[in-house]
Amino acid sequence: EVQLLESGGGLVQPGGSLRLSCAASGFSFGSYAMGWVRQAPGKGLQWVSSISSNSGNTYYADSVKGRFTISRDNSKNTVYLRMNALRVEDTAFYYCVKVESSGGWYGCDFWGQGTLVTVSS
Amino acid sequence: QSVLTQPPSASGTPGQRVTISCTGSSSSIGSNYVYWYQHLPGTAPKLLISRSNQRPSGVPDRFSGSKSGTSASLAISGLRSEDEGNYYCAAWDDSLRGMSFGGGTKLTVL
Repeated sequence: EVQLLESGGGLVQPGGSLRLSCAASGFSFGSYAMGWVRQAPGKGLQWVSSISSNSGNTYYADSVKGRFTISRDNSKNTVYLRMNALRVEDTAFYYCVKVESSGGWYGCDFWGQGTLVTVSS
Repeated sequence: QSVLTQPPSASGTPGQRVTISCTGSSSSIGSNYVYWYQHLPGTAPKLLISRSNQRPSGVPDRFSGSKSGTSASLAISGLRSEDEGNYYCAAWDDSLRGMSFGGGTKLTVL
């Protein structure tokens, strides 16, 4: 059974930083791309970032480019999202997702339960 | 504003068939697979349709997907009360080099 467990969310002031982690199990982690999708309160789903299976390719939404960094450690079955220069509009539930292929340009087939990031002074 | 356009709402009575549309562009739906997700309150989103028309294991055959040109649609037949929730389409966009989601459609079972 695929399981994705996010951690690292919380309350942070504008301009601050957080690092989200996602521990994966139940599948061959190193064979699949991974990503992050967020949902702001009362809003729809928004793709944030993806990383290919071997970390060779990373992709970012324009709204987070230059501020967020996605990475993975295949030896630990974990994907990370480093978030710097956080803005109030980054407040959202952040979902870790498994992509259905090794490349980051495919859709996701499994989602974690999400972790809440609140950016507020 | 989403790159993929969905109607904000849809509705039907139990047993009916409803369809939800998703309109994109040549660089998104026109060139890539479409995915459909069901997001029920308090739960993680769930994949309903993969690669435009493939139903993952465990998804009832009441759900079906299709794609034509730069548009796609999700059909739900034999509507049930438990289908009530939000539905999203998604597709990679070659121009944006990123995944785009539709704005979501809130389905109400009357």
